[in-house]
Amino acid sequence: NAGVTQTPKFRVLKTGQSMTLLCAQDMNHEYMYWYRQDPGMGLRLIHYSVGEGTTAKGEVPDGYNVSRLKKQNFLLGLESAAPSQTSVYFCASRPPGLPYEQYFGPGTRLTVT
Amino acid sequence: AQKVTQAQTEISVVEKEDVTLDCVYETRDTTYYLFWYKQPPSGELVFLIRRNSFDEQNEISGRYSWNFQKSTSSFNFTITASQVVDSAVYFCALNNQAGTALIFGKGTTLSVSS
Repeated sequence: NAGVTQTPKFRVLKTGQSMTLLCAQDMNHEYMYWYRQDPGMGLRLIHYSVGEGTTAKGEVPDGYNVSRLKKQNFLLGLESAAPSQTSVYFCASRPPGLPYEQYFGPGTRLTVT
Repeated sequence: AQKVTQAQTEISVVEKEDVTLDCVYETRDTTYYLFWYKQPPSGELVFLIRRNSFDEQNEISGRYSWNFQKSTSSFNFTITASQVVDSAVYFCALNNQAGTALIFGKGTTLSVSS
């Protein structure tokens, strides 16, 4: 089992460019999440999905879009990157039911110049 | 509103010292879950423990122990005889009302020196 994987691991973008971060999990989890981590801010939820074809906004959704076309994949898109989106992005997944622990990917470090 | 507060931003200790990381939460739910995660310098997030609101028994796992007190809305984490490998950022988290997501505290950075 690879668990939760994220692609790419690092990326540098220029302001205004677009990109998509890919999260994949092989644990057949229903729930998937995208967080961003900034110094002194902890982890903040961007968007999440409770199943294939569903998405919902989290705490800081502005400037991001997501899609969950397949159960195992959760895509995070930045249509027009801004320096404020420089961050480390983490994807996570978990099974449905109780608030079970989330399993995290290794993170993607994104720098927007 | 639900909230998790980790008031200690950074803690520095010397090896073999005991250290307690504080976590205070706010929720109006009667049923809820609390979590601790560890983020070592390598960056990944590692699950440590989950505790539900009906189980106030303290838990011990090796050098780690957790003290859950509903009366003070706290879920504190103690490392006994700390080691350099314990150096990490530790996050406390609470499930949201719908049970669909976690609300994280801002984390406590623990530095253990030899």
